[in-house]
Amino acid sequence: DAGVIQSPRHEVTEMGQEVTLRCKPISGHDYLFWYRQTMMRGLELLIYFNNNVPIDDSGMPEDRFSAKMPNASFSTLKIQPSEPRDSAVYFCASSLGTSGENEQFFGPGTRLTVL
Amino acid sequence: GENVEQHPSTLSVQEGDSAVIKCTYSDSASNYFPWYKQELGKRPQLIIDIRSNVGEKKDQRIAVTLNKTAKHFSLHITETQPEDSAVYFCAASIGLTGGGNKLTFGTGTQLKVEL
Repeated sequence: DAGVIQSPRHEVTEMGQEVTLRCKPISGHDYLFWYRQTMMRGLELLIYFNNNVPIDDSGMPEDRFSAKMPNASFSTLKIQPSEPRDSAVYFCASSLGTSGENEQFFGPGTRLTVL
Repeated sequence: GENVEQHPSTLSVQEGDSAVIKCTYSDSASNYFPWYKQELGKRPQLIIDIRSNVGEKKDQRIAVTLNKTAKHFSLHITETQPEDSAVYFCAASIGLTGGGNKLTFGTGTQLKVEL
């Protein structure tokens, strides 16, 4: 398996624009997590899905952020409109909850810069 | 919610020496404690984890100890090598229905191993 795949790897946009980040989890994994990493706030969990259903979005900073998981192999995180303070590295991670193993496998991340 | 504190924020050791990173957590219900290593510009990767029914776990040069009563856990790296230089994150988690884990991360420790 290629591991968790994220696209794009880098995104530079202007304030006010819509940004869509994409994630393909490891095949067969039933949990998907979106994290944001900044120097100031570290690694923060934004939202997670179990079997494609959003379970906990309490980490989503505000209504400008939304996430979907239309099927088991694809998820998106959307920011509309984007602001400079959204600049961060966004990681997607997946895990297989039913296996008894707990490891979350992270994707390579998307580095977002909002000008 | 869970709160994880991590110390020190930076740690510099000589090659061959040992390094110790300490974390405390707030929620006594937490039962899974992974440690992730993140090299510059890369994704976090699991290096070792421990469950609450175990007090210590070792994997070659890496060991983790857990004190549930005091709610703290530590990462020990022996015989450090330059390739151990990275940021290390601890995390604490309460198990989720379905077997997954909602991780709360510490703020990270920048470890530098000097020649």
